Amino acid sequence: NAGVTQTPKFRILKIGQSMTLQCTQDMNHNYMYWYRQDPGMGLKLIYYSVGAGITDKGEVPNGYNVSRSTTEDFPLRLELAAPSQTSVYFCASSGTGWNSPLHFGNGTRLTVT
Amino acid sequence: QQQVKQSPQSLIVQKGGISIINCAYENTAFDYFPWYQQFPGKGPALLIAIRPDVSEKKEGRFTISFNKSAKQFSLHIMDSQPGDSATYFCAASMRTGFQKLVFGTGTRLLVSP
Repeated sequence: NAGVTQTPKFRILKIGQSMTLQCTQDMNHNYMYWYRQDPGMGLKLIYYSVGAGITDKGEVPNGYNVSRSTTEDFPLRLELAAPSQTSVYFCASSGTGWNSPLHFGNGTRLTVT
Repeated sequence: QQQVKQSPQSLIVQKGGISIINCAYENTAFDYFPWYQQFPGKGPALLIAIRPDVSEKKEGRFTISFNKSAKQFSLHIMDSQPGDSATYFCAASMRTGFQKLVFGTGTRLLVSP
């Protein structure tokens, strides 16, 4: 059972480049999330989705875009990468119950130089 | 008002000791308080959670204490073991549909052998 799979694990981007962080889950969860984790800052919600075709902004959406064409996949797009986007990115999924645990992937470490 | 304040930032405890991590919140609409555990190179995973209608929840060596009037909750790890060395995040959300967790800034726990 793979759970939540993120690719790539590491990436270095130059300022102004673009990339897509991939996330897929095999638990048939309706809810999916993208968080970024910075040292001493905890996890901040970037975007989330409550089902295929439905996405919404979280706390820190600027500079990112998402799409949700299937239940399984929730890619995060970075356009015109900036040093401030250097972070570790986590994708997560959960069931629809109010106390359903979030299942996180192992993260993508992104450096923008 | 959406913040969850967590302390300490780091903690060193001897094997067999008690680890205590504290969190405080302002938003009285929060009514679900989970703790997530994160090992290096991995995504966070749900450890234990509490609702505000109980003052304490225990699962094995892990206990959440909740003080609704003070708007504080804490994680106690009894008989701490080197395998407990990880980063711990408290979080809070409202039980209204989508689980939009607000995370604390994290506590890095090191249990010395």
